[in-house]
Amino acid sequence: DAGVIQSPRHEVTEMGQEVTLRCKPISGHNSLFWYRQTMMRGLELLIYFNNNVPIDDSGMPEDRFSAKMPNASFSTLKIQPSEPRDSAVYFCASSLKGIHYGYTFGSGTRLTVV
Amino acid sequence: AQSVTQPDIHITVSEGASLELRCNYSYGATPYLFWYVQSPGQGLQLLLKYFSGDTLVQGIKGFEAEFKRSQSSFNLRKPSVHWSDAAEYFCAVAPTSGGSYIPTFGRGTSLIVHP
Repeated sequence: DAGVIQSPRHEVTEMGQEVTLRCKPISGHNSLFWYRQTMMRGLELLIYFNNNVPIDDSGMPEDRFSAKMPNASFSTLKIQPSEPRDSAVYFCASSLKGIHYGYTFGSGTRLTVV
Repeated sequence: AQSVTQPDIHITVSEGASLELRCNYSYGATPYLFWYVQSPGQGLQLLLKYFSGDTLVQGIKGFEAEFKRSQSSFNLRKPSVHWSDAAEYFCAVAPTSGGSYIPTFGRGTSLIVHP
């Protein structure tokens, strides 16, 4: 099992550019979560999907952020346009539906917007 | 809504010493409780979880945690710390009703291990 795979590991972009982060969940997991981690705010849930359907996107900070899950094996988080305050580590996690299994996290994407 | 507090931002211990990381939660009933560990440059890894039953929970890497309802606490312990345990530790609490079961994470405790 390769675990949750995120790409890229690091992204440096200029303010105003579009950024797309990618995630491949563990095969068979039917819940997927996007988190953002910063020193100031800790770990924040941005959005989560059950069976590819977005369930709660109340954590998405602004309309500049969007997430999709076109199939069970792929999800994207897009920021357009990006701003320096979006600099953070973005994690994707997956799990079997329900809380009893815990989450498996990817290694994250460190985003720097200059 | 639930909340979780990890009172210690940093903890420093010597290798071989015992460890206890504190976690306090706020929730109207007994929640689901978790500890995760994050090594530098990595994602979070589940150490252990509590749902019900025995209040002393064993996890991976020699860690254990004890749920104390009277103190609203779920402290993580290890009898003898190894240098490889240096990492960030997160406590998380999830509701047991409402359907979403989405956990809230604490701000983390950074463990520093001295040789």
